[in-house]
Amino acid sequence: SAVISQKPSRDICQRGTSLTIQCQVDSQVTMMFWYRQQPGQSLTLIATANQGSEATYESGFVIDKFPISRPNLTFSTLTVSNMSPEDSSIYLCSVENRGLYTEAFFGQGTRLTVV
Amino acid sequence: GNSVTQMEGPVTLSEEAFLTINCTYTATGYPSLFWYVQYPGEGLQLLLKATKADDKGSNKGFEATYRKETTSFHLEKGSVQVSDSAVYFCALSDSNYQLIWGAGTKLIIKP
Repeated sequence: SAVISQKPSRDICQRGTSLTIQCQVDSQVTMMFWYRQQPGQSLTLIATANQGSEATYESGFVIDKFPISRPNLTFSTLTVSNMSPEDSSIYLCSVENRGLYTEAFFGQGTRLTVV
Repeated sequence: GNSVTQMEGPVTLSEEAFLTINCTYTATGYPSLFWYVQYPGEGLQLLLKATKADDKGSNKGFEATYRKETTSFHLEKGSVQVSDSAVYFCALSDSNYQLIWGAGTKLIIKP
């Protein structure tokens, strides 16, 4: 299992500004995942963050809008840049235990409201 | 491609009622199946899992059986409590270890 600490837990931001979300894991992991959960909707994978290489972004997400850092095996950040009200969502950090099957562990999420 | 379909919410029940949340999947091969729960203000956490056909996952009074013949993994609980109010996600893990998520079903339990 893994314990994931994510902060901030919530924030209200002005449009045009940027917010950096931090994710700390209690053990070393190769891959960390960032998801977006829009109100009333399911999880959408934004990108996969590997230590020592560029993050891999899913279709519809770009590095200029969602830059990701992964400086070591226990930490990652996601920045939501030049925010607009459409960016209002819950952002979730996750790690996965892949073996016979994949089990995901999540941080508590960051509830972002852009005004 | 692989996909998960679960019943739309919200599902509203009275305390001690019987719960069923339907989940069906489309996948090649033999995926593993999961139910995750998201309590208000929290991240998702694994509720139960089943890794092969006819397996029954269970936890906290919830059960789900992996039915390959109907490609289903319905979540059930015999007597729900107010504390069960949450969003429930059905998911599968495919042969590439990728997680595929359902849309989530919000459950509201009234006292």
